Amino acid sequence: GAVVSQHPSWVICKSGTSVKIECRSLDFQATTMFWYRQFPKQSLMLMATSNEGSKATYEQGVEKDKFLINHASLTLSTLTVTSAHPEDSSFYICSARAGTGRETQYFGPGTRLLVL
Amino acid sequence: KNEVEQSPQNLTAQEGEFITINCSYSVGISALHWLQQHPGGGIVSLFMLSSGKKKHGRLIATINIQEKHSSLHITASHPRDSAVYICAGQNTGNQFYFGTGTSLTVIP
Repeated sequence: GAVVSQHPSWVICKSGTSVKIECRSLDFQATTMFWYRQFPKQSLMLMATSNEGSKATYEQGVEKDKFLINHASLTLSTLTVTSAHPEDSSFYICSARAGTGRETQYFGPGTRLLVL
Repeated sequence: KNEVEQSPQNLTAQEGEFITINCSYSVGISALHWLQQHPGGGIVSLFMLSSGKKKHGRLIATINIQEKHSSLHITASHPRDSAVYICAGQNTGNQFYFGTGTSLTVIP
């Protein structure tokens, strides 16, 4: 199946710093990429949907100025957590889809963020 | 109450047992997904269902649209099947509703 990678897989940072997470589709062009957050023992929660070349659509309650998403190419989307705080510590997962319909989403391996 | 409910939340089975994980949903969906999340966090899409039944190896997924219910079955379970299994509904607007997952542990 298709492969989606995330980098880094782990990040530990001090409160107040910004962290960038990359999501890449390795063998297909991802028209649409999704960013999810998962707190321990909770389900995945969609943060935002991004289509290549356009602004991301954020879910209600997600601060777009805090979680900056850039989908500059068909194979790369980045999520930047600005001025991270301990409550932002979570597991961030991206997924990518080749089209805009009901094509299969391929999930990345996730990035664990710990903010001290 | 979540739009998607799974049961059981935790499941421990002996190797070789037949396993069933249930998913009920209360929203209108056009497709239902079963996902597998490994201990390291990585997620794999197992099935996408709109109706009926799908089989892949030892995994079988069924959906009953009228009853708004889906099941994931694992035959001849193996320790490597130990993971969290997540049910997710997708509506026609491509919005996803995720269940909280079922943590499966298969003991040798």
